[in-house]
Amino acid sequence: AQSVAQPEDQVNVAEGNPLTVKCTYSVSGNPYLFWYVQYPNRGLQFLLKYITGDNLVKGSYGFEAEFNKSQTSFHLKKPSALVSDSALYFCAVRPPRATNKLIFGTGTLLAVQP
Amino acid sequence: NAGVTQTPKFQVLKTGQSMTLQCAQDMNHEYMSWYRQDPGMGLRLIHYSVGAGITDQGEVPNGYNVSRSTTEDFPLRLLSAAPSQTSVYFCASSYGATDNYGYTFGSGTRLTVV
Repeated sequence: AQSVAQPEDQVNVAEGNPLTVKCTYSVSGNPYLFWYVQYPNRGLQFLLKYITGDNLVKGSYGFEAEFNKSQTSFHLKKPSALVSDSALYFCAVRPPRATNKLIFGTGTLLAVQP
Repeated sequence: NAGVTQTPKFQVLKTGQSMTLQCAQDMNHEYMSWYRQDPGMGLRLIHYSVGAGITDQGEVPNGYNVSRSTTEDFPLRLLSAAPSQTSVYFCASSYGATDNYGYTFGSGTRLTVV
């Protein structure tokens, strides 16, 4: 079955330190990969996506993500965390030929301590 | 402001009652979808539409109906509410699955069925 895994329910990091939020997927072929962020009582906001090309993609608010095909991973990263980055982060995958379906992970709560 | 508007923001229903969750977008997006968000389960696709007059089922369609009579509106109907439908519901839209800005999400409707 096609799925997305976010193995950490919560990630804690100190402000100014680098952060990584992990995502792995189980989808055959070459999927499209996305990261979204959700602030309290808000809808999801698009951060970045990988379709093809350079394995390192840059997105909003200084975030970037690294696609690793051999490990079927798409980890979200930021060199220096801000307290305002604290939110719920979702990884999502669009399987090949599934034009209008996104499969979401369960989400990872990022807590950045001052 | 352009975007996806969902109403109501909060709703409490009694078991067996029916209601319609409204979703409207003013970005001329062809694709619209409904997701439900439950703790520890991420977002799951209920129904989606690739254009006016066209709808299809997602991962968890049972107990829900949709229609798409215009490009702008995509209401979600609960025919006979059940406690298992207690959730936060999000509507999303995009030009298509590969839209450069990903999907635009509404701010959600928090539904409680008692």
